[in-house]
Amino acid sequence: GAVVSQHPSWVICKSGTSVKIECRSLDFQATTMFWYRQFPKQSLMLMATSNEGSKATYEQGVEKDKFLINHASLTLSTLTVTSAHPEDSSFYICSARSGLAGGLDTQYFGPGTRLTVL
Amino acid sequence: QKEVEQNSGPLSVPEGAIASLNCTYSDRGSQSFFWYRQYSGKSPELIMFIYSNGDKEDGRFTAQLNKASQYVSLLIRDSQPSDSATYLCAVRASGGSYIPTFGRGTSLIVHP
Repeated sequence: GAVVSQHPSWVICKSGTSVKIECRSLDFQATTMFWYRQFPKQSLMLMATSNEGSKATYEQGVEKDKFLINHASLTLSTLTVTSAHPEDSSFYICSARSGLAGGLDTQYFGPGTRLTVL
Repeated sequence: QKEVEQNSGPLSVPEGAIASLNCTYSDRGSQSFFWYRQYSGKSPELIMFIYSNGDKEDGRFTAQLNKASQYVSLLIRDSQPSDSATYLCAVRASGGSYIPTFGRGTSLIVHP
């Protein structure tokens, strides 16, 4: 149980284009999903928290107009990187809150999406 | 500001040895503690969670929690080369924000 999928697993795009990444909780309903970014050999950096049906909460320093997050259902959240530039190249990882009882109420991570902007 | 500290390592142990990974946290209100494993180029994978003082064992893994001293550790018995990865500690306070705070991770290398 508690499986999270992400699509695509990798994407290469040209500078200036937009890229959409999907995150799905496959066997549970996730009221809260998280988007992280990780640069090589760096720690996870939380970008934003999204709750189903409401606007995402962005961490300080993350441009909400550049990283559009939509959490339209209890099993799907999307991250769109708009007008991507080479410095946006990174490993983007989503996670979903399981909402299960006790300590099982934790985050399960998707497999990640590696974005390369040329 | 809530902080979670981990030694970045690398921690190098021989195959078959016990690997001990430590994590300290600053928020005394923390209630839930998690260990994730992250292989290079992959996303984190939940290994264990613990929320009561003492030890919790799952196979070769043992999580140890000491709230008075504000540390949580992960022991890996009979370490295998396949255990070589970065181990992330995550800490979450009760109530308020659900969002856990992650440490920067400790790199573990198990050499044959």
